Amino acid sequence: AQTVTQSQPEMSVQEAETVTLSCTYDTSENNYYLFWYKQPPSRQMILVIRQEAYKQQNATENRFSVNFQKAAKSFSLKISDSQLGDTAMYFCAFMKQGNFNKFYFGSGTKLNVKP
Amino acid sequence: DTGVSQDPRHKITKRGQNVTFRCDPISEHNRLYWYRQTLGQGPEFLTYFQNEAQLEKSRLLSDRFSAERPKGSFSTLEIQRTEQGDSAMYLCASSFEWAEQFFGPGTRLTVL
Repeated sequence: AQTVTQSQPEMSVQEAETVTLSCTYDTSENNYYLFWYKQPPSRQMILVIRQEAYKQQNATENRFSVNFQKAAKSFSLKISDSQLGDTAMYFCAFMKQGNFNKFYFGSGTKLNVKP
Repeated sequence: DTGVSQDPRHKITKRGQNVTFRCDPISEHNRLYWYRQTLGQGPEFLTYFQNEAQLEKSRLLSDRFSAERPKGSFSTLEIQRTEQGDSAMYLCASSFEWAEQFFGPGTRLTVL
C-alpha cells in the first residue's frame, strides 16, 4: 500500500518570502507520479505541480518548484515570492503508474501567507 | 465548459435518511472519481468510473453507498441510512485518460 505523509500541519510565511512544504511517501513501486494540489478556503482543489518519478530533473512552475529525492522518497514544494493568494491547504499526492490513476493524498499543510 | 460541477454544495440531513449527490464532469473526460474528505485530512478515494463502467470501489464504500454513471456523463453518489460518521466533504474529479484530474467544489454533508 502507498502512504503519503505531510508532517507540517500548519505553516506561516511573510509575503514575498520563500517557504518549503515537506512530503514523504512510502511505496514499492518504481514508476509513479507525485503531485502538489492547492485547496484555497471554500474553493476547489487545483493542481500546482506534478513530477514523474522517472525524471531526474525537478519540476518547476513559475514560483513553484519541487525537490524530488527518489531514494529518500521525499517530495518537497518550494514557493518563492509568496503571495497572499497562496494561502490555502496544500496536499501532496501519489499516483501509481498503470491503467488506473487513483490518488493517495497526504493529510495536508495549511499555509498562511501574512502581509 | 466551466469545469467539474457538483450539486448540492451543502446537504444537512437527519440520521437514517437517504441522500444523493450529483457530479457533472468536464464534457470530454471519460474518467470520473469520487473522494471523501473529512476535516483535517486529505481526500480518500471511494470509487472510479471509466465511461459508464465502475472499475474499482474502496473498502470505505460500504453497502450503504452506491454510485452510478449511467450514460458515461454525469454521476450520482447515493448514501442510504446515513450515519453521523458519513459527515464529510464528498469530492468529484474527472480526467481524460492519463491527464490531470480536475476537482469539483465538493458537496459538504452534515448528518445530524
